Amino acid sequence: GNSVTQMEGPVTLSEEAFLTINCTYTATGYPSLFWYVQYPGEGLQLLLKATKADDKGSNKGFEATYRKETTSFHLEKGSVQVSDSAVYFCALRNNAGKSTFGDGTTLTVKP
Amino acid sequence: DGGITQSPKYLFRKEGQNVTLSCEQNLNHDAMYWYRQDPGQGLRLIYYSQIVNDFQKGDIAEGYSVSREKKESFPLTVTSAQKNPTAFYLCASSMNGGQDYGYTFGSGTRLTVV
Repeated sequence: GNSVTQMEGPVTLSEEAFLTINCTYTATGYPSLFWYVQYPGEGLQLLLKATKADDKGSNKGFEATYRKETTSFHLEKGSVQVSDSAVYFCALRNNAGKSTFGDGTTLTVKP
Repeated sequence: DGGITQSPKYLFRKEGQNVTLSCEQNLNHDAMYWYRQDPGQGLRLIYYSQIVNDFQKGDIAEGYSVSREKKESFPLTVTSAQKNPTAFYLCASSMNGGQDYGYTFGSGTRLTVV
């Protein structure tokens, strides 16, 4: 079956630091890949996506590149802010429309 | 603006009671989903529906029931058979027709058994 593995948290960074949250996946075929963000007490919001190999998704300074050869979709941001503190979920959706989510990684950014 | 609305935001249930969580969307999405989230954990799929009048069990359907009588609505009932219902419940919707569409989530309902 499909699976998504994210780096374990929590991740704590100082403001303006570089962020990487690792995500690898196992799937048959060529799924689409997604990053969602969840702020405290809220639902998840779609942050970015990539639908084929070598695509780069980007939004709000966050980026992730679909790497088929390493089955990875790592989330990066060059300079984090306190307002980026949240839980980040990596997910895939296969050609049957079924989604699989990672367990989430908690990011805390300190001033 | 289109979106997905969950209500209530907080819900308290006495042991032995059934409660129903509401989920309404005006995005014209075909598919709708219910997830459960426990503290510090990921999402677990309860039920999903890809079309009106049809729904399928997810990974943890025991103790829950749903209906899909209208495209816009997908209510979840937490029955007294659910032994540990205290959790954060998330409803989501999506277009069908392929893998390229992400999910739109509601803001969640926090259910507490008292």
